[in-house]
Amino acid sequence: EPEVTQTPSHQVTQMGQEVILRCVPISNHLYFYWYRQILGQKVEFLVSFYNNEISEKSEIFDDQFSVERPDGSNFTLKIRSTKLEDSAMYFCASSGAYGDTIYFGEGSWLTVV
Amino acid sequence: DAKTTQPNSMESNEEEPVHLPCNHSTISGTDYIHWYRQLPSQGPEYVIHGLTSNVNNRMASLAIAEDRKSSTLILHRATLRDAAVYYCILKKRAGSYQLTFGKGTKLSVIP
Repeated sequence: EPEVTQTPSHQVTQMGQEVILRCVPISNHLYFYWYRQILGQKVEFLVSFYNNEISEKSEIFDDQFSVERPDGSNFTLKIRSTKLEDSAMYFCASSGAYGDTIYFGEGSWLTVV
Repeated sequence: DAKTTQPNSMESNEEEPVHLPCNHSTISGTDYIHWYRQLPSQGPEYVIHGLTSNVNNRMASLAIAEDRKSSTLILHRATLRDAAVYYCILKKRAGSYQLTFGKGTKLSVIP
C-alpha cells in the first residue's frame, strides 16, 4: 500500500539552528500538509500546500517556518532558528484531491536542546 | 468550527465489539464526519468517514444518527492492534484543508 515517508525519524538540534524535515508524499497526490504534535498534546495543523503554493496555514506557522516542494517527489518543512518549544513530532501528510482521505507519515521527532 | 465531544477513554475486551461515541450537536449540513486513529508512536491513520448514511469498510462501521448530532464508530471485533486514540473530526467538504484534532478517545483492549 502506498505510504508517506518521512526523514529523519528523529533529530536532535541545538537551539537557534535550522532544521529541514523531509517527506515523500504518495506519488499521485496533489495536496500536502504538515502537522505537529507536542508530547502529550493534540495533533495541530501547520500548513497545507497545493500547486506549489501555500493554500492554508495556522497561527503556529509563522515566519520561522517555510515549506517547499523542491522537486517532483519531496516536500520539506524548514524551521529556522529553532526554539525549545519547537520540540515535537512533525507529521507530513498528503491527499489525492481536495476533500479526499489524508494519509499521514510516521513522523519526524524533533528535539531542540 | 463545529466541535466534537468524545469520552476520554474506553476499555474493551479482545474480540468483542466496541462502540466509540461522538457528539457533534453543532454540526452543519456541509460537515463530513471523519474518524482517524493514532496508534502509539505513529501518525494518525484514516479509519472511515460519512455524511448522512451509515458506512462500512474493512476497518470499521460508522453509524450516524438521523439528526446527525452524534455518530458511533463500531469496531466489530477488537484486537490488541486496535488499541489507539480515536479521533472524531468534522471536516467541511469545501473551504478548509485542515483536520482539527481534539483529544480523542483512548481505547484500551484487554487480552
